[in-house]
Amino acid sequence: AQSVAQPEDQVNVAEGNPLTVKCTYSVSGNPYLFWYVQYPNRGLQFLLKYITGDNLVKGSYGFEAEFNKSQTSFHLKKPSALVSDSALYFCAVRVPNNAGNMLTFGGGTRLMVKP
Amino acid sequence: NAGVMQNPRHLVRRRGQEARLRCSPMKGHSHVYWYRQLPEEGLKFMVYLQKENIIDESGMPKERFSAEFPKEGPSILRIQQVVRGDSAAYFCASSPPSGTNSPLHFGNGTRLTVT
Repeated sequence: AQSVAQPEDQVNVAEGNPLTVKCTYSVSGNPYLFWYVQYPNRGLQFLLKYITGDNLVKGSYGFEAEFNKSQTSFHLKKPSALVSDSALYFCAVRVPNNAGNMLTFGGGTRLMVKP
Repeated sequence: NAGVMQNPRHLVRRRGQEARLRCSPMKGHSHVYWYRQLPEEGLKFMVYLQKENIIDESGMPKERFSAEFPKEGPSILRIQQVVRGDSAAYFCASSPPSGTNSPLHFGNGTRLTVT
């Protein structure tokens, strides 16, 4: 069975500082990895994905993530945080041979960016 | 191009009543997924449907919960005889009919409160 772990319930960072939100995964086979963001009372918005190729993927709003196969990690990063980045972030994994596009999500990490 | 539409946004039911949640996928999407999010928790997969077919219902409770995606009209998640523990946000997502690297597109959810 596949699983995703987000070890931090909350990450606090000052505006302008770099941010990292951690994600590790456990799957059989090669994973497809995703990051989503959720603002209050809204659904999840897609940020970026890793399918194959370059381990560093760039996504929306200046976010990027690095796939590390040996550490089974897919940490989300941004060089300079904005107060408006404050939200709930979810990492998700899909095994390509699954039926459909079903995702397994981590428990989420709340990012708080303080001015 | 309208996104995934869910209604109602908020639904209040008394214990023992029925709740019906609706989801219209994005135009051109024929795969629908339902997820449940409890307060301060991640998203848990419930069911994956294609038109007129349930593909994977491994996350659905065995009793009181059912889902359908008819040939015409929205997908429906139905909860019979609701209990307080059913209070949660229910999210629908959709994806195109092919390509397992397509991200899921989420609606804004239905927040069910059972009193």
